[in-house]
Amino acid sequence: AQKITQTQPGMFVQEKEAVTLDCTYDTSDPSYGLFWYKQPSSGEMIFLIYQGSYDQQNATEGRYSLNFQKARKSANLVISASQLGDSAMYFCAMREGPGNTGFQKLVFGTGTRLLVSP
Amino acid sequence: DAGITQSPRYKITETGRQVTLMCHQTWSHSYMFWYRQDLGHGLRLIYYSAAADITDKGEVPDGYVVSRSKTENFPLTLESATRSQTSVYFCASSGLGTGGNQPQHFGDGTRLSIL
Repeated sequence: AQKITQTQPGMFVQEKEAVTLDCTYDTSDPSYGLFWYKQPSSGEMIFLIYQGSYDQQNATEGRYSLNFQKARKSANLVISASQLGDSAMYFCAMREGPGNTGFQKLVFGTGTRLLVSP
Repeated sequence: DAGITQSPRYKITETGRQVTLMCHQTWSHSYMFWYRQDLGHGLRLIYYSAAADITDKGEVPDGYVVSRSKTENFPLTLESATRSQTSVYFCASSGLGTGGNQPQHFGDGTRLSIL
């Protein structure tokens, strides 16, 4: 079974609008972490945001927020006020286990390509 | 400048040849990783390393060899390249953290084509 599922191969949004990129995960470990990465057309992987399974509040980083619904096993990325520079591939990834050793063995989803139009 | 660098950025080789992809990080991170990225698969872990001289297999290790004699370097070798190993390869590193929120930092990738 897929550990991380991103069901939207592509998404379109107009500039200045908000967009939600879906991510569902599958784990039986009570301790885990969820990461989102952005990959622009230039190819590099850029870390955006992190959510721990025990975090009480949804993570936010500037225009990025994570809509974490633990019971539904979903960790959707919300980008507010989209900009042209947000056009990129977005990957959701999960770390299983507490991570307090620093070891971050990640499993990635297949990604969602976001296109922001003027 | 501090960071993680991969070389070469692009490589074309022929089936059966040996090729080594280099990865160097200046953060003194303990953990290093190699991924391959293919359409429809996202990133898949090939090998990882917790420290110098400690390596272990990831999801897709067959056909690859790694070593880590120094903390800062983590080369990936394809001993006898096959067309199925045509891919984009990413190296990543992460430091020790108490909260589990240490992200992996990625190099810019190596685009490898095997003819």
